[in-house]
Amino acid sequence: KAGVTQTPRYLIKTRGQQVTLSCSPISGHRSVSWYQQTPGQGLQFLFEYFSETQRNKGNFPGRFSGRQFSNSRSEMNVSTLELGDSALYLCASSLNFLSVGSGNTIYFGEGSWLTVV
Amino acid sequence: AQKITQTQPGMFVQEKEAVTLDCTYDTSDPSYGLFWYKQPSSGEMIFLIYQGSYDQQNATEGRYSLNFQKARKSANLVISASQLGDSAMYFCAMRVTDSWGKFQFGAGTQVVVTP
Repeated sequence: KAGVTQTPRYLIKTRGQQVTLSCSPISGHRSVSWYQQTPGQGLQFLFEYFSETQRNKGNFPGRFSGRQFSNSRSEMNVSTLELGDSALYLCASSLNFLSVGSGNTIYFGEGSWLTVV
Repeated sequence: AQKITQTQPGMFVQEKEAVTLDCTYDTSDPSYGLFWYKQPSSGEMIFLIYQGSYDQQNATEGRYSLNFQKARKSANLVISASQLGDSAMYFCAMRVTDSWGKFQFGAGTQVVVTP
């Protein structure tokens, strides 16, 4: 069974531009969550989507947005990029968003490395 | 509020030795799940092991085992017979129902396995 797929893997953008990252979850998984990882801040939760609705949200400015499609694929968008947005963006999928059982383990993609210059 | 703490920022371990990575958590929710992930330098987070709050026995997965002490709110990961490929960042994480299932991650522990 295919894992979580993120595209693109690497990208370089200029300050002020916007970027869209894509995530395809494991087949059958309906929950997709996004994380930002930087050396200084560690892993920070961005948001989680389930059934095309945002269910959880972290403490990020409105420049960070996301959406989920009917096939559970998700995209996140960052507008007006800043140097501080340079990070590894990780997408993860799970069966649903509420259960804490082992069957609802979240599995991660390989991440998208974003560099803002 | 829920919290996950990993107090060891980094550690060295010799090949073939066992290593214990500490993780303590704080939650008032009786139902929660504890997870460990490995992140090599390539960036991907790899799921290692799960422990549920109601599980009576400590979880084991191959060379990984979880030392779960519920009363002390600790969930330490034990890696037996370390291999060079075990060099990575290790994250402890928790999921609780009363925060809408949101994952909380610890700061991570960097493990370097030496020959």
